[in-house]
Amino acid sequence: GQQLNQSPQSMFIQEGEDVSMNCTSSSIFNTWLWYKQDPGEGPVLLIALYKAGELTSNGRLTAQFGITRKDSFLNISASIPSDVGIYFCAGQLPPGANSKLTFGKGITLSVRP
Amino acid sequence: DAGVIQSPRHEVTEMGQEVTLRCKPISGHNSLFWYRQTMMRGLELLIYFNNNVPIDDSGMPEDRFSAKMPNASFSTLKIQPSEPRDSAVYFCASSSTSGNYGYTFGSGTRLTVV
Repeated sequence: GQQLNQSPQSMFIQEGEDVSMNCTSSSIFNTWLWYKQDPGEGPVLLIALYKAGELTSNGRLTAQFGITRKDSFLNISASIPSDVGIYFCAGQLPPGANSKLTFGKGITLSVRP
Repeated sequence: DAGVIQSPRHEVTEMGQEVTLRCKPISGHNSLFWYRQTMMRGLELLIYFNNNVPIDDSGMPEDRFSAKMPNASFSTLKIQPSEPRDSAVYFCASSSTSGNYGYTFGSGTRLTVV
């Protein structure tokens, strides 16, 4: 079956640093999404990518859809304490064919003040 | 838009009791998903519905788990009888299959079975 690989499981950075997270798959996806989960809450969509090679920004977040359609990265610049949480990547096949998302296991980000 | 609404937020029950989790998806969304999250296994898809019809329940761990979606605005996930290993956070999410917008998750129900 489809699997998304995120590693490492945890990352520790200093406030103000940039951090980059990768997500890879053995399967091709048509859409890549990045979610963030705060403690005690459900995952919230950060960025959605729809085309191979696409680079999209949302404030201090930048994400790219890999050219092979098998990978994506998320970059957070100038990290702040509220960036703490679990970051999930997810891949999606076309709507209508199978709208089910496949999630990675997530990366827990800690930010030291 | 109130988002996806789940109830209760927390549930503590004794082993062997029946537990019912509830979800109200976003109005207009035609797909609904139930997930379970644990430290060991991460987010696991249990079952999903398209237009109120169960499409894939291969993630339901065993017959003790059942899910229904009687109409477009309500779904339940029932565990009967509950066991301590069912303790987890259960999320409901909804989406529209007419667009590429991913899922919107509820805040989850934290279930503890003692």
